[in-house]
Amino acid sequence: QVQLVQSGAEVKKPGSSVKVSCKASGGTFSNYAISWVRQTPGQGLEWMGGIIPIFDTANYAQKFQGRVTITADESTSAAYMELSSLRSEDTAVYYCVRVGNTSGYYSWYFDLWGRGTLVTVSS
Amino acid sequence: EIVMTQSPATLSVSPGERATLSCRASQSVSSNLAWYQQKPGQAPRLLIYGASTRATGIPARFSGSGSGTEFTLTISSLQSEDFAVYYCQQYKKWPPLTFGGGTKVEIK
Repeated sequence: QVQLVQSGAEVKKPGSSVKVSCKASGGTFSNYAISWVRQTPGQGLEWMGGIIPIFDTANYAQKFQGRVTITADESTSAAYMELSSLRSEDTAVYYCVRVGNTSGYYSWYFDLWGRGTLVTVSS
Repeated sequence: EIVMTQSPATLSVSPGERATLSCRASQSVSSNLAWYQQKPGQAPRLLIYGASTRATGIPARFSGSGSGTEFTLTISSLQSEDFAVYYCQQYKKWPPLTFGGGTKVEIK
């Protein structure tokens, strides 16, 4: 069965960038969309943006617009989330999630989650 | 942006009892509402989508109801593995997709 395998934990300096990867193991991204959701320490869940790999179109939350770039490579079933101008408040676990597909239509709930990547921003 | 509000923040329940969790949307989301369960140190897991459809492999003791702005997740008889944090999420109007702040179900 399909799993989303994310890259390992990162420690970054304020002002730098981080790029987190997500690869579908045991399957592909075909006919699915991918989103990124983050969870800050002790806090809830926050949607950052998503992409439909076959169309190569991305949407972002306004909060992250201009700082986040989500890309996908359908040929390798991999997706990436790059966040720039990092600050301490970006310290969080970043999840790659698969968007639901109901009868061939994208339904933007999340039916499969990666294990998360901890990004720590510290000087 | 649609704001999702969950109540209560913490729910203390004895094993075997029923738990009722609420989620309110700041405007109608029709039935475009999902529920997730998160245990410590784990990623969230989809429980319910379409307000009332159980995801694959989710036990029948979990049920969702509601439409518009008021939604409920009911766990009919709490098992030890059900003590966790539960989140609702709307996918009617976006960006952004939005989550509620969560309800922690703890052992009474």
